[in-house]
Amino acid sequence: QVQLQESGPGLVRPSETLSLTCSVSGGSIHGYYWSWIRQSPGKGLEWIGYIYYSGGTEYNPSLKSRVTISVDMSKNLFSLNLTSVTAADTAVYYCARERNFGETWFDPWGQGTLVIVSS
Amino acid sequence: DIQMTQSPASLSASVGDRVTITCRPSQTISTYLNWYQQKPGKAPKLLIYATSKLQNGVPSRFSGSASGAAFTLTISSLQPEDFATFYCQQTYRSPYTFGQGTKLELK
Repeated sequence: QVQLQESGPGLVRPSETLSLTCSVSGGSIHGYYWSWIRQSPGKGLEWIGYIYYSGGTEYNPSLKSRVTISVDMSKNLFSLNLTSVTAADTAVYYCARERNFGETWFDPWGQGTLVIVSS
Repeated sequence: DIQMTQSPASLSASVGDRVTITCRPSQTISTYLNWYQQKPGKAPKLLIYATSKLQNGVPSRFSGSASGAAFTLTISSLQPEDFATFYCQQTYRSPYTFGQGTKLELK
C-alpha cells in the first residue's frame, strides 16, 4: 500500500526558504493529486496546495505568493518550497495523496514533520 | 473561504456511549465533506469521505450523515481506541478548509 514520508530541515531561520520533500513508496505518483497540509496550534489544519502528477498546481490564496509545489516523477516524490518564512510558519507539515472522484479526500497522509522557524 | 464550524469543541464520554459531532459549513458544500481522526503525535486518518462513505478498514460503528446544512459524525458505541480529536473538512471549493476539531475524552 502507498506510504508517504516527509523529509527536510526541522529548523529554518526567519526570512529564509522552507523546503520539504515527500517520498512516495508502494505506488506511483502517476495519475494522482498530491497535497501539502500544515498544522499549528494557532491555526489548526491548513491546506497549502496540491500538484497533479503532470505538474498542474493550485495553492491556498493565503500562501500563494510564497508557495511552490513541484513533482519529480523519476524519483517518485514531490516537494514544497515556502519562501520568506516567519514564526507563523512554524507547524507540523504533512503530505497526503488526494483522491479525486468528483468529491475529494486525503488518504493516506505522511507521518508529518515539525518545522520550527527561529533564529 | 468556506468556514467549517464544529461542535462541540470537546466532549467527555464513556466506553459504550453513542457520540455525535456536528460540522456546519458557512455555505453549501453539497456532499463534499470528510471526517478525520487524529491521535496525539500522529497524522490525521480518514474515517468518512463524501459525507457518508466509510473508508476501507474503518469500523462500522463510525458513520456520517447530513441533515439540512449540518453534517454529523456518529460513533455508535465508543471503544477505548476511539478517544482522539476529530476534524471535518470541505473539499467543495478551494481552498479546502477544516473544522477546528472536536476533542473526545474519556469521562
